[in-house]
Amino acid sequence: SQTIHQWPATLVQPVGSPLSLECTVEGTSNPNLYWYRQAAGRGLQLLFYSVGIGQISSEVPQNLSASRPQDRQFILSSKKLLLSDSGFYLCAFLWRYHGYTFGSGTRLTVV
Amino acid sequence: QQPVQSPQAVILREGEDAVINCSSSKALYSVHWYRQKHGEAPVFLMILLKGGEQKGHEKISASFNEKKQQSSLYLTASQLSYSGTYFCGTVKMGSGGSNYKLTFGKGTLLTVNP
Repeated sequence: SQTIHQWPATLVQPVGSPLSLECTVEGTSNPNLYWYRQAAGRGLQLLFYSVGIGQISSEVPQNLSASRPQDRQFILSSKKLLLSDSGFYLCAFLWRYHGYTFGSGTRLTVV
Repeated sequence: QQPVQSPQAVILREGEDAVINCSSSKALYSVHWYRQKHGEAPVFLMILLKGGEQKGHEKISASFNEKKQQSSLYLTASQLSYSGTYFCGTVKMGSGGSNYKLTFGKGTLLTVNP
């Protein structure tokens, strides 16, 4: 069965510090992978998606970037965090007609 | 463009029914429904493809009217466990394959009280 792992679960980072969030998928190959952000009490905003190794599409221009160095690994990064980067970050993969399966999420607080 | 969900919030007593609506201004390929409990990740409920189909999941069912670009989620005989925020996610027509991505509505907060 397909599973998705995301870490860390929570993170408190100072403004201006770097960020690296990692997501890995098991049990499937060449999945579509997605990074979403959810601000407190808000909906889900698509940040990046990837259909294969090295292929990244950006939905929102900002100081975040994404990379896919391996088929089942998706990384979200920032060189310098802003206060507005705080939120709940969710990685997801698409499994045909079974919809998205989300990771457990990373709650990021920038202080 | 983000789909519009209504209502924004609904409060029910256990056993009551509710309908959550989702509408889009774009031609849609599919509609997904998810439920998110507080502090947790969203969980997939069902997907509806163009063709006006209807689906069921326990006492939760949904319909998709592709002519109106609208979907509705029906919760019957609600249980306490149904509480949470419900999101619809839409996929625009022509977004298949490598361009498949969901745009989510703002969510509907459902509270079921004893």
